[in-house]
Amino acid sequence: DTEVTQTPKHLVMGMTNKKSLKCEQHMGHRAMYWYKQKAKKPPELMFVYSYEKLSINESVPSRFSPECPNSSLLNLHLHALQPEDSALYLCASSQAGPLYTEAFFGQGTRLTVV
Amino acid sequence: SQQGEEDPQALSIQEGENATMNCSYKTSINNLQWYRQNSGRGLVHLILIRSNEREKHSGRLRVTLDTSKKSSSLLITASRAADTASYFCATVLGFGNEKLTFGTGTRLTIIP
Repeated sequence: DTEVTQTPKHLVMGMTNKKSLKCEQHMGHRAMYWYKQKAKKPPELMFVYSYEKLSINESVPSRFSPECPNSSLLNLHLHALQPEDSALYLCASSQAGPLYTEAFFGQGTRLTVV
Repeated sequence: SQQGEEDPQALSIQEGENATMNCSYKTSINNLQWYRQNSGRGLVHLILIRSNEREKHSGRLRVTLDTSKKSSSLLITASRAADTASYFCATVLGFGNEKLTFGTGTRLTIIP
């Protein structure tokens, strides 16, 4: 199994809603990532988890809250988002950190904030 | 901040021709990786090249790295319609800065 599975594929939420994005991998990878990608732009790193601990937070607003319940799962909790947060949210994992190995990406969740 | 700039931003070629994309970066790196993205969905890893390597091959792909010029190139030979995608280089700086940072990308269109 070389897949990173993200759910849902599409999400529309209001600015007062609370929702969560989910990411799952069963490759035994120890590093997991959240990226945000706006249309026609490159992915931008948001968070990195290494061995289930948050190791990098790229000064992401607190309305985005990551969680790593176990080594296979990564969540991104969303609350009070703004329309400008509409984007493709990509989860990725790697065997070790990017110094050593490539990253495997999920298909993303396309988020629309209305 | 963005580390890699890719050139060209967009490229259209006939099927069967070779496609070359270039990536320039600003600071010394540990490794550089190339990814492909179809239709704004997930990215697929193509090749990882380390700072002490100059060239790597994978099937129809050839990647070169010139650390003195802080640049890399991706060559796709004998292009196919299925190669139509966006291609991104991504850099990793080193210990203490172990982030995978993506360049601006090249949109490649293969004309059948």
